[in-house]
Amino acid sequence: EVQLVESGGGLVQPGGSLRLSCAASGFTFSSYWMSWVRQAPGKGLEWVANIKQDGSEKYYVDSVKGRFTISRDNAKNSLYLQMNSLRAEDTAVYYCARGAMDVWGKGTTVTVSS
Amino acid sequence: DIVMTQTPLSSPVTLGQPASISCRSSQSLVHSDGNTYLSWLQQRPGQPPRLLIYKISNRFSGVPDRFSGSGAGTDFTLKISRVEAEDVGVYYCMQATQFPGTFGQGTKVEIK
Repeated sequence: EVQLVESGGGLVQPGGSLRLSCAASGFTFSSYWMSWVRQAPGKGLEWVANIKQDGSEKYYVDSVKGRFTISRDNAKNSLYLQMNSLRAEDTAVYYCARGAMDVWGKGTTVTVSS
Repeated sequence: DIVMTQTPLSSPVTLGQPASISCRSSQSLVHSDGNTYLSWLQQRPGQPPRLLIYKISNRFSGVPDRFSGSGAGTDFTLKISRVEAEDVGVYYCMQATQFPGTFGQGTKVEIK
């Protein structure tokens, strides 16, 4: 079964850091672009970042540039999002998604609050 | 970044009747490879998004044929030929022609 499972979310203070992980299974992970998409409470979807199959290209939404880093480990079938200098407005459910957004995980919740 | 604008933002529909959602991009979505990377996703309450349509008009695996997509350039449309109860949710258009991708604001489809 094709599956993506996110983990690593939680409550963090403003200015803090978190590292999200996404474990992929059931498909050849190294063959796909991968993305992180977030959804703030009661709001729409926002594409956060994506990364090419070999990690050679990465793109970020302006609001996270310089603070978030997307990475992947194809040997471990895993996608990551390192989030630093977190702000209240980063509070959201974070989803990982495959390629053309044809497979999504269930999401992990990040809450930034003091 | 490319801005995606959806209309309407809310669409009350009678069961069995059609529904239509429009999506306009701030610039052409035709990629240099000739493809147009415009997709539609559905998000039912409490669930992650689900891909319905990719590259304007291609239905994803398992998507009922009452869903159809059309358009070109900067103007696109999602149509539901006969709305069923399970279609309730929020629908998003999304462009992946230029990275980072961007989503429309979402259109809430509800039953009258």
